[in-house]
Amino acid sequence: GAVVSQHPSWVICKSGTSVKIECRSLDFQATTMFWYRQFPKQSLMLMATSNEGSKATYEQGVEKDKFLINHASLTLSTLTVTSAHPEDSSFYICSAIPRRNEQFFGPGTRLTVL
Amino acid sequence: KQEVTQIPAALSVPEGENLVLNCSFTDSAIYNLQWFRQDPGKGLTSLLLIQSSQREQTSGRLNASLDKSSGRSTLYIAASQPGDSATYLCAAITQGGSEKLVFGKGTKLTVNP
Repeated sequence: GAVVSQHPSWVICKSGTSVKIECRSLDFQATTMFWYRQFPKQSLMLMATSNEGSKATYEQGVEKDKFLINHASLTLSTLTVTSAHPEDSSFYICSAIPRRNEQFFGPGTRLTVL
Repeated sequence: KQEVTQIPAALSVPEGENLVLNCSFTDSAIYNLQWFRQDPGKGLTSLLLIQSSQREQTSGRLNASLDKSSGRSTLYIAASQPGDSATYLCAAITQGGSEKLVFGKGTKLTVNP
């Protein structure tokens, strides 16, 4: 149990386009999901907390208008990188919590912006 | 603000050796501490979760300990295998109910056949 999936697993796009990444909890409901970003040889940095049915909570320094988060159901959260630029190229990982305080992570999405 | 540090950044050992990975945290008021494994280009696999009231957890060849008073956790891997090669991350959740994980930068382990 406690499986989290992400789609797509990798995406290449042109600068200026928008990219949507999906995070799904497959066998449990998640009122809270988290979005992280990981640059090469760096640790995971929390971007935002996604709350079902309400606005996401963004960490300091993360532009909410650039990284749009929608948590429309108890099993799906989406992250849209708007007007992507090469500096947005990174590994994006989501996590969800099936039981208090134990997070399970998705396989990640590799975004490359040309 | 919670900060998590992992030492060493990289470790290379011969197959069969027992090893210890270290994790330290600055705020001892943690709710729990979690150890993860990350393979290159992949997501995170949860290995062990230690609640603040616990001192250790074991799963197979893995044993994780927690000493809140000293702000330290260790991950012990017995009889290491080449398949154990990966980056190991520790992360702490500070009390307060936010459920946010603060990660260390990880230890990249290479087990040589």
